[in-house]
Amino acid sequence: GENVEQHPSTLSVQEGDSAVIKCTYSDSASNYFPWYKQELGKRPQLIIDIRSNVGEKKDQRIAVTLNKTAKHFSLHITETQPEDSAVYFCAASVGFKTIFGAGTRLFVKA
Amino acid sequence: DAGVIQSPRHEVTEMGQEVTLRCKPISGHNSLFWYRQTMMRGLELLIYFNNNVPIDDSGMPEDRFSAKMPNASFSTLKIQPSEPRDSAVYFCASSGGGFIQPQHFGDGTRLSIL
Repeated sequence: GENVEQHPSTLSVQEGDSAVIKCTYSDSASNYFPWYKQELGKRPQLIIDIRSNVGEKKDQRIAVTLNKTAKHFSLHITETQPEDSAVYFCAASVGFKTIFGAGTRLFVKA
Repeated sequence: DAGVIQSPRHEVTEMGQEVTLRCKPISGHNSLFWYRQTMMRGLELLIYFNNNVPIDDSGMPEDRFSAKMPNASFSTLKIQPSEPRDSAVYFCASSGGGFIQPQHFGDGTRLSIL
């Protein structure tokens, strides 16, 4: 079955710096890659997603890149702000089944 | 849009008791997912339904766990008998329109088994 690995598990950056989170997946049939942000005690919320026929997608300060050949995808957050502090999950989907990475806890220091 | 609605938000019960978690998906969504989240194991997919039919329950940890979706607007996840290691946050999510659609999560049920 699908396996998703996510790195790093913890990331600390200074406000205004960029943050990069990387994920790899094992099932080449995966065709949809969402990213979720989860604040403490809250539900995961979708922040951006990318489909397998697209290499890059950007939404304001957030961008995601996908390399299907290498089976890895990354989340880039520019100009980080304290409110970006949260746990970020990558995921890979095959059909209806979505497998999540273990999460990255991002700390943005003011 | 009211979003995915879960109840109860918190549940504390003694081991051996039956626990029932409830979920109302977003109207019009035809896929429903149950997840369990713990510090040790992260976010695990337990079971998912499409058009009220269970598609994959390979993530259900034991026979003590069961899930039903009697209609398009309601699903339950039941644990009987409950054990302390079942303590976790249980999320329900729904999506609509086919395979490649984002899942929308409910606020979760924080379950504590004493």
